Amino acid sequence: DAGVIQSPRHEVTEMGQEVTLRCKPISGHDYLFWYRQTMMRGLELLIYFNNNVPIDDSGMPEDRFSAKMPNASFSTLKIQPSEPRDSAVYFCASTLAGGRLNEQFFGPGTRLTVL
Amino acid sequence: GQSLEQPSEVTAVEGAIVQINCTYQTSGFYGLSWYQQHDGGAPTFLSYNALDGLEETGRFSSFLSRSDSYGYLLLQELQMKDSASYFCAVRGGATNKLIFGTGTLLAVQP
Repeated sequence: DAGVIQSPRHEVTEMGQEVTLRCKPISGHDYLFWYRQTMMRGLELLIYFNNNVPIDDSGMPEDRFSAKMPNASFSTLKIQPSEPRDSAVYFCASTLAGGRLNEQFFGPGTRLTVL
Repeated sequence: GQSLEQPSEVTAVEGAIVQINCTYQTSGFYGLSWYQQHDGGAPTFLSYNALDGLEETGRFSSFLSRSDSYGYLLLQELQMKDSASYFCAVRGGATNKLIFGTGTLLAVQP
């Protein structure tokens, strides 16, 4: 079974541009999480979905960030407009409900650089 | 709120045993997990403790004491490939999300 798939793997853009990150969770998983990792702030949860419904977006830094999950096999994280401080590695992770919530499967990440 | 503390760096030699400690504060508790992350890679799940005691998975073991809000990851027979960052993560309160610690960078020397 394929793991969590993220695209693109690397993104370099200029300040003010729109950035869209994509994620395909593991088939059958009903939870999907978006994380951001930086040296300064570590691994931060941005938002998570359960059965395609956003449950907790308290980690989304500001209105420039938005996330959607139109179906069970696809999610996007959009930044518009992007700023240099958004430069980070963005991970998507998925898992199953119940006790397995502590075992999350991470994608390879998207390394975003905003110039 | 929830918070975790773990050492920032640990150094050990090949073949040795190393213990990485984690203390946490959380309202409610639904388990302590450990993840490994190699430089440039993604976090990978290692182990999970919901109850007190030791869980063993090959060379890695994880321990939990809920009364002390404390756990540790024990790595035995260290290998060079074990050089990585190790994160503890707690799920607590009325939430289904994991809160990650800041990570411990383990350097294994020959």
